[in-house]
Amino acid sequence: DAGITQSPRHKVTETGTPVTLRCHQTENHRYMYWYRQDPGHGLRLIHYSYGVKDTDKGEVSDGYSVSRSKTEDFLLTLESATSSQTSVYFCAISESLGSGGYEKLFFGSGTQLSVL
Amino acid sequence: GENVEQHPSTLSVQEGDSAVIKCTYSDSASNYFPWYKQELGKRPQLIIDIRSNVGEKKDQRIAVTLNKTAKHFSLHITETQPEDSAVYFCAVLSGYALNFGKGTSLLVTP
Repeated sequence: DAGITQSPRHKVTETGTPVTLRCHQTENHRYMYWYRQDPGHGLRLIHYSYGVKDTDKGEVSDGYSVSRSKTEDFLLTLESATSSQTSVYFCAISESLGSGGYEKLFFGSGTQLSVL
Repeated sequence: GENVEQHPSTLSVQEGDSAVIKCTYSDSASNYFPWYKQELGKRPQLIIDIRSNVGEKKDQRIAVTLNKTAKHFSLHITETQPEDSAVYFCAVLSGYALNFGKGTSLLVTP
């Protein structure tokens, strides 16, 4: 498996509190992604990054922000958590998605977030 | 963004039978179509992919077919085994990210 670590693995928080999830990679891959997985909705893209300090929104970005100050770390922040953000969050990395080269997406183990 | 429809949402087959999952997409410029498998409690993993310049690709018991004119692609699993039981996601490349279908839960019964 690719060197990708998500932390924490599980988190329970209360509505209105800020939450930060961390994704750390040791592969030096350029592209990093945050997806959320919910029953009946599959995997939905929240934000992604195509380089240090370069990020873009996905289809469900409202209520989330991201930062990438180093190649290896991609942080996802819920500024004020809501119950609708209870989900499993997956980080993923790719060496060259969209470039026509080796485009495999490697997923982390996921973070189960519960907002009460 | 790219709209990806996946059917069926659940599929139950007997061991040894074939399973077919179909996805449709909206952007005719899309050119990369992977399939991911997610076992219970695990992370999604790539099992096969196809590019727009190819109509079919096989890897042992799994195959993917692509019809660019109709904008749909399908996953075919032959001689299904209990270990094929999982959720399968199709995806379409849009820019630098993958848009996933909602998934198909496949159950293979002995």
